[in-house]
Amino acid sequence: EAEVAQSPRYKITEKSQAVAFWCDPISGHATLYWYRQILGQGPELLVQFQDESVVDDSQLPKDRFSAERLKGVDSTLKIQPAELGDSAMYLCASSPTPYEQYFGPGTRLTVT
Amino acid sequence: SQQGEEDPQALSIQEGENATMNCSYKTSINNLQWYRQNSGRGLVHLILIRSNEREKHSGRLRVTLDTSKKSSSLLITASRAADTASYFCATDAPDSSYKLIFGSGTRLLVRP
Repeated sequence: EAEVAQSPRYKITEKSQAVAFWCDPISGHATLYWYRQILGQGPELLVQFQDESVVDDSQLPKDRFSAERLKGVDSTLKIQPAELGDSAMYLCASSPTPYEQYFGPGTRLTVT
Repeated sequence: SQQGEEDPQALSIQEGENATMNCSYKTSINNLQWYRQNSGRGLVHLILIRSNEREKHSGRLRVTLDTSKKSSSLLITASRAADTASYFCATDAPDSSYKLIFGSGTRLLVRP
């Protein structure tokens, strides 16, 4: 069964450093999402792509976060510089339809 | 910001018992979905109910939706230890490009 791949699974970084996460969606899924999930809370959408175009990045802190999906397939989310408050699980999801999203295992980020 | 609030925040039951979780939301919706998340993992889609539906079943899952009260419930019958997970409701609003807003989740523990 096809799955959304994410790497790394765990990342520890010091504040002010740069960090990047990678996501490979299920083949054929045009829509890709990045979420941030703080411990004990539900996921919050950071950015949504339709193919290579950004559909919604209203919750993305653009002063330090950036996301790209250059060829409309895999995607990278970057944080520079990382802050202590960025410690969270970063989840990638993809979907073939507007309704059902398939999530990857996530990247657990710890900023020290 | 989180749209939904799940109740209870945590639930502990014995294997074989039924588990009921509730979700309340604030604005009008197109659809409401329930997702499951095992500890430290990504989310798995369980069931979707549209705003014009009142009840839906899938295996041991039963979901109800009351749009007049802006609330939904998820019932898991004959629970198993493997059902131990966090459960989240997610809504998408009209004219939102199917952007999902997740609730804060219910942590379910099923004791063997």
